[in-house]
Amino acid sequence: NAGVMQNPRHLVRRRGQEARLRCSPMKGHSHVYWYRQLPEEGLKFMVYLQKENIIDESGMPKERFSAEFPKEGPSILRIQQVVRGDSAAYFCASSPGTSMYNEQFFGPGTRLTVL
Amino acid sequence: AQTVTQSQPEMSVQEAETVTLSCTYDTSENNYYLFWYKQPPSRQMILVIRQEAYKQQNATENRFSVNFQKAAKSFSLKISDSQLGDTAMYFCAFMGYNNNDMRFGAGTRLTVKP
Repeated sequence: NAGVMQNPRHLVRRRGQEARLRCSPMKGHSHVYWYRQLPEEGLKFMVYLQKENIIDESGMPKERFSAEFPKEGPSILRIQQVVRGDSAAYFCASSPGTSMYNEQFFGPGTRLTVL
Repeated sequence: AQTVTQSQPEMSVQEAETVTLSCTYDTSENNYYLFWYKQPPSRQMILVIRQEAYKQQNATENRFSVNFQKAAKSFSLKISDSQLGDTAMYFCAFMGYNNNDMRFGAGTRLTVKP
């Protein structure tokens, strides 16, 4: 059973471009979470999604950031018009969503660098 | 809002010795989960140990154990017989019983010296 997959592992964008980060949850997992890690800091929650629904986006900036988890395919975190402050590691986690305690399994992360 | 505080930005320990990493948190909830994650240079987040708040017994996983003091809202990690492979960032995290997002501390960078 493959773990959580994220791609690309490294992404370089110039200011003003768009960044698309992909996350494929573990097989059988229907819940996806996105976190951002700035240098020398802990992970900060951004958004929690179930298939086709955003459940909690309280940690996601209101502008330029969006997330989706379609019925088919990976979850996408999209950042429009990137700025240097968006440079960070973005982690995706997934959980089965079927038990009271939903352990989150983390992917390897995508390191975004904005030039 | 829940906050997680790790007051030790960096720590070091000699190989084979024991080290304790501190973590405190703030919450008004009675039921919740606490975690310690390890992040080696590969940046992969690896779950080390977890504790359910309703369990009084401290969790243990091989060389890793916790000292969970619910009243004091303290959740320290003890690593026994430290190994070079334990060198990593360690993050303490909190998750509410009815929540789905984890709150992380700022991390402690642990270096195990040969």
